[in-house]
Amino acid sequence: DTEVTQTPKHLVMGMTNKKSLKCEQHMGHRAMYWYKQKAKKPPELMFVYSYEKLSINESVPSRFSPECPNSSLLNLHLHALQPEDSALYLCASSQGGQGGQETQYFGPGTRLLVL
Amino acid sequence: QKEVEQNSGPLSVPEGAIASLNCTYSDRGSQSFFWYRQYSGKSPELIMFIYSNGDKEDGRFTAQLNKASQYVSLLIRDSQPSDSATYLCAVGDSNYQLIWGAGTKLIIKP
Repeated sequence: DTEVTQTPKHLVMGMTNKKSLKCEQHMGHRAMYWYKQKAKKPPELMFVYSYEKLSINESVPSRFSPECPNSSLLNLHLHALQPEDSALYLCASSQGGQGGQETQYFGPGTRLLVL
Repeated sequence: QKEVEQNSGPLSVPEGAIASLNCTYSDRGSQSFFWYRQYSGKSPELIMFIYSNGDKEDGRFTAQLNKASQYVSLLIRDSQPSDSATYLCAVGDSNYQLIWGAGTKLIIKP
């Protein structure tokens, strides 16, 4: 089973709202990722958690706050977003321990619209 | 700066023909190579990964890697309209990162 789940599928929020995106995997993977993807562009890495520790933060604005409560769950907390943050937010996971050698499996994504 | 290049297309192929998608990469030390398929509005789906020089086959898909030429390709045999999608080439970096190509849009004409 190579399933990564994400909720919600769609999210509309105002610039003053606080919301969270959730990601879950039950493959025993120890690396989890958040990506942002704009239309007709490849995914853009935001954060990587390896063994529940934040190992990569790609200079993402502080209005995005990741959290990894345990090895199966990954959250992305959103606050005071801008309209240009509207995008498809993708969660991925991989086995962990081998860095870029590993196959990353993507969830279905959350389509976010910021008004 | 590490780069992965793909022709953005669109690449138009008749149904039943072989579709050939190509990708070049700049970092000679790269070890892992991935092809993802992405339908419009959906998330990337892993099609193939390859680590060693040569060919790797899985059903209608064949990935080819030539490290000397820094070139990786994906062949799709007996192309179907359902293969119409954007195909993303990604190269693994040492630090959990994937270096992505811009993607090639493939159109299979019935």
